[in-house]
Amino acid sequence: SQKIEQNSEALNIQEGKTATLTCNYTNYSPAYLQWYRQDPGRGPVFLLLIRENEKEKRKERLKVTFDTTLKQSLFHITASQPADSATYLCALGSTGGFKTIFGAGTRLFVKA
Amino acid sequence: DSGVTQTPKHLITATGQRVTLRCSPRSGDLSVYWYQQSLDQGLQFLIQYYNGEERAKGNILERFSAQQFPDLHSELNLSSLELGDSALYFCASSASSGRASNGELFFGEGSRLTVL
Repeated sequence: SQKIEQNSEALNIQEGKTATLTCNYTNYSPAYLQWYRQDPGRGPVFLLLIRENEKEKRKERLKVTFDTTLKQSLFHITASQPADSATYLCALGSTGGFKTIFGAGTRLFVKA
Repeated sequence: DSGVTQTPKHLITATGQRVTLRCSPRSGDLSVYWYQQSLDQGLQFLIQYYNGEERAKGNILERFSAQQFPDLHSELNLSSLELGDSALYFCASSASSGRASNGELFFGEGSRLTVL
């Protein structure tokens, strides 16, 4: 069955450092991969999308890489800030957006 | 504000009861998705509708059902409720039209269901 794996352990980093989160998947050939941010008790908020034919995408302090051979995506937050503390979810989707599935998320804590 | 509205925000009910959760998608979005998120669990995909028709189904229990109406709002019906059904239920919408799309989902703030 399709499976998405994200680090279950929380990631603790110091303010100003780069946070790197990992998303691995199996039994899926996604058309695209997305990253979302979720704060406690709130709905997820879309951050970035990268398509299967793209290797890297950037948006301000965020960078996503996508390796379809390794079936892995890395999500980087540079110059991290305490306000970046949240749970980050990886999601895979097929063409047309059908049945977008999510990983369990990685909790990030940025210490001042 | 994502533009997706979910009601009610909170709901407390007893085992064996039935509840209906409602979702109004963003203006113009044709696709509606339902997800369940239990404590410390990831988002579990339940079902997706596109322009009134069921498009994809996930791990949705037979006690649960959903529909999308002509005005594109959607309802998720949960019946014979059990303690384990306590969770946050999220609705999301997208502009997916069946062609290659951005796929970005816009989530509501969720309906928190507590079954006692």
